[in-house]
Amino acid sequence: TQLLEQSPQFLSIQEGENLTVYCNSSSVFSSLQWYRQEPGEGPVLLVTVVTGGEVKKLKRLTFQFGDARKDSSLHITAAQPGDTGLYLCAGGRQGAQKLVFGQGTRLTINP
Amino acid sequence: DAGVIQSPRHEVTEMGQEVTLRCKPISGHDYLFWYRQTMMRGLELLIYFNNNVPIDDSGMPEDRFSAKMPNASFSTLKIQPSEPRDSAVYFCASSFLTGGAWSGELFFGEGSRLTVL
Repeated sequence: TQLLEQSPQFLSIQEGENLTVYCNSSSVFSSLQWYRQEPGEGPVLLVTVVTGGEVKKLKRLTFQFGDARKDSSLHITAAQPGDTGLYLCAGGRQGAQKLVFGQGTRLTINP
Repeated sequence: DAGVIQSPRHEVTEMGQEVTLRCKPISGHDYLFWYRQTMMRGLELLIYFNNNVPIDDSGMPEDRFSAKMPNASFSTLKIQPSEPRDSAVYFCASSFLTGGAWSGELFFGEGSRLTVL
């Protein structure tokens, strides 16, 4: 059972376009993280959100945690080839010392 | 500062052989996690340690897999005997406490790509 569903699984767009990827669950999480993974490397943490409705920005990336803390979105403005990679969301539960990962969204930005 | 260090980066072996993957976590981190990543199943948690003690090994596929952490700076994941379905990228990640609680933030190594023929 996949507790965190990411969509779309694959996305290929042109440089300069905007995009949004989603991370959904029927379960409530106390925290939600987004990681980016490039080929041949391990995932790297981008952001952690912990409050329902929280919005965080990282340059051209905007992360939002759903009000009910069951879902999250990542919006990229004016995508660049350097944004290419696998984006993973991961949820944490109160008191649990481990994360549940989604399957990932594989993003390709074409020059 | 050195990140999480894994070795080997690539391993090709034949079915039935023993495989040992190694990990050096970030100094001062209290937690160490072993994950496996495949296209089909994504990133799966195999086992994690807190202060060198295994806490949850419910993700270990079967008895062929074992993990140890003899000290705070070293861990191994062993597969014996290996099978073709074990082919995957194995990641080690470390983490730390903040304010007395687990931070929830993982720092991953670059992974060990295992191919079992």
